Order: sequence, then structure tokens, then C-alpha cells
Amino acid sequence: EAGVAQSPRYKIIEKRQSVAFWCNPISGHATLYWYQQILGQGPKLLIQFQNNGVVDDSQLPKDRFSAERLKGVDSTLKIQPAKLEDSAVYLCASSLRPGTPTSYEQYFGPGTRLTVT
Amino acid sequence: GDSVTQMEGPVTLSEEAFLTINCTYTATGYPSLFWYVQYPGEGLQLLLKATKADDKGSNKGFEATYRKETTSFHLEKGSVQVSDSAVYFCALGGATNKLIFGTGTLLAVQP
Repeated sequence: EAGVAQSPRYKIIEKRQSVAFWCNPISGHATLYWYQQILGQGPKLLIQFQNNGVVDDSQLPKDRFSAERLKGVDSTLKIQPAKLEDSAVYLCASSLRPGTPTSYEQYFGPGTRLTVT
Repeated sequence: GDSVTQMEGPVTLSEEAFLTINCTYTATGYPSLFWYVQYPGEGLQLLLKATKADDKGSNKGFEATYRKETTSFHLEKGSVQVSDSAVYFCALGGATNKLIFGTGTLLAVQP
């Protein structure tokens, strides 16, 4: 079974530039999550999708971050414009829909390491 | 709001030593509790879980017991190996299954 795919793996940009990250979840996983992991901290949820609808985006800085999952499969997270404090690893995870026995288990991709200079 | 506190690292042990990584949580209700592990160069993966009080999660020789009275979920292993070197994250399952993570504990096991 293929895991969660993310690209790119690494990205370096200057502040005020834009950047986009892509995630393809495990086939059949209805729920998709984007987390931000700043160095020395645990991952923090940015946004959660159930199919193509947003379940939780309470910690997404909406003035600069946006995300979409138009067909309920893969997803894109965008930052525009980037700030120095956005330097972090962006993790994508997926899980089965709530109500299924193992829906608690999230499968993580390798992450995209973003450096803003 | 809900939160997780885990002991700071790094934790450096010799092979075959006993491991404990402390984790306590603050939450409304009775969340599920998890330990995730991140090996060098790899993504986060679920190590073990417990879904209710007094449950013991176990996997690969690691164990953790959900203690409601002390709001704790400490990770233990009787005899660590070099291959256990990784970053370990304690997490709780919030509403809608989102995960709230601790800051992570780096474990380094020396031969």
C-alpha cells in the first residue's frame, strides 16, 4: 500500500514570496490533515478536511495561508506571502473517515521542509 | 484548551537500559492517547495507543498505561536498542480526531 506522498521535500524561498505544497493521501482515506512543525516543537494542526469539506481550520493563519482539496483526494497548501516565522516542516496526514474502527490512526507523509530567508 | 506536556530531551541511554519518557495531559473529557515515533529521515508513525482509562498500549516492546487519576501516559521500555534512537511524541486525540502533540523527546541509545 502506497503511503502519503508529499512534494516538494525541501523548499527555500525569500520572505514575501509564495509557495505551495502538495499532498496525496492514502487511497480511500477520507480525512486529510495539514500540520506545521516548527523546529523543537510538536506538530500543530493547521487544517483538517473531511472529503472536500473543511472540518477544522481554527489555527490556520487565513490572511496568508490557504488550502484546498477540490476533488476530495489530493490537497494543496499555499502560503502567500511567506514570513520568516513560516520556516517549518509541513506535514500531511490522512486517516479513514470518523466512525470506522481505526479512524484514530493518522498516517503521515515525509513532510516538506520550508526555509524562508 | 487541551494540551500535552512531555519531558524534555535529549535522553541518552546505553543499550539495554530501561527507558521512561514522561507525558502528562490536560483535556476536557476522556481523550484517546497516543505515542508517535519519528525515526531519522522518516515520517511520523504511530507507536501505540490507549483509548480509555487503565488501557495499556504496547508495541515493539514499548508500553504506556492511560492513568486518568494522574492524567499521565508515560512511555516505557525495559531494554532499549540502538535502533530505538528517534524522536518520540506524546499526543492526545481531540475533537474530530485531530491530534494535539507534545514537543517531542529525542532518545539517543549508545552501543
